Amino acid sequence: DAKTTQPNSMESNEEEPVHLPCNHSTISGTDYIHWYRQLPSQGPEYVIHGLTSNVNNRMASLAIAEDRKSSTLILHRATLRDAAVYYCILRDNSNTGNQFYFGTGTSLTVIP
Amino acid sequence: DAGVIQSPRHEVTEMGQEVTLRCKPISGHDYLFWYRQTMMRGLELLIYFNNNVPIDDSGMPEDRFSAKMPNASFSTLKIQPSEPRDSAVYFCASSLTGRKGEKLFFGSGTQLSVL
Repeated sequence: DAKTTQPNSMESNEEEPVHLPCNHSTISGTDYIHWYRQLPSQGPEYVIHGLTSNVNNRMASLAIAEDRKSSTLILHRATLRDAAVYYCILRDNSNTGNQFYFGTGTSLTVIP
Repeated sequence: DAGVIQSPRHEVTEMGQEVTLRCKPISGHDYLFWYRQTMMRGLELLIYFNNNVPIDDSGMPEDRFSAKMPNASFSTLKIQPSEPRDSAVYFCASSLTGRKGEKLFFGSGTQLSVL
């Protein structure tokens, strides 16, 4: 399974941009990069995903390195509601199935 | 749509008792996943179904755990007998298809405490 590496924790000031990094050096050519976040006492929720090109949606932007071995989730203006654990995941479509494997994620603290 | 619905929200039971967790996926979703979350191990995939058929149960910890999906709108995860080390938050998730760009939608989870 292709694995991802993320920092355990990060801090950001409120209303400032946040760049959450993820390394996935063993990514295969057809793996999608997904980001989910988990707010306290809730299930994970989808944030964004991409394959090769940078992606934008109302929640965030996803910047994917040209070699696809790393990616960065960008929150343009952090709010207190963005405090959560952020997971970077590669969608594994190996012969054994279509699993999502969650790593330990990055715990984001937003400072007022 | 109400999203993925799990019940109960909290379950407290004694060691040795049978526990049944329930999940209703989003209507029309073909894939259903059961995850377990603990502080030590994070989010672990236990089993997933495609069109009500179990596809991969390699994450099920042992024979005490079993999961069924009798129809497209209902799944259960059963632990019999339960042990204190089974205490965790159990999440159910569903997705429309198995394509790699497809989103997962999670329920709010069941907090299980085995005393």
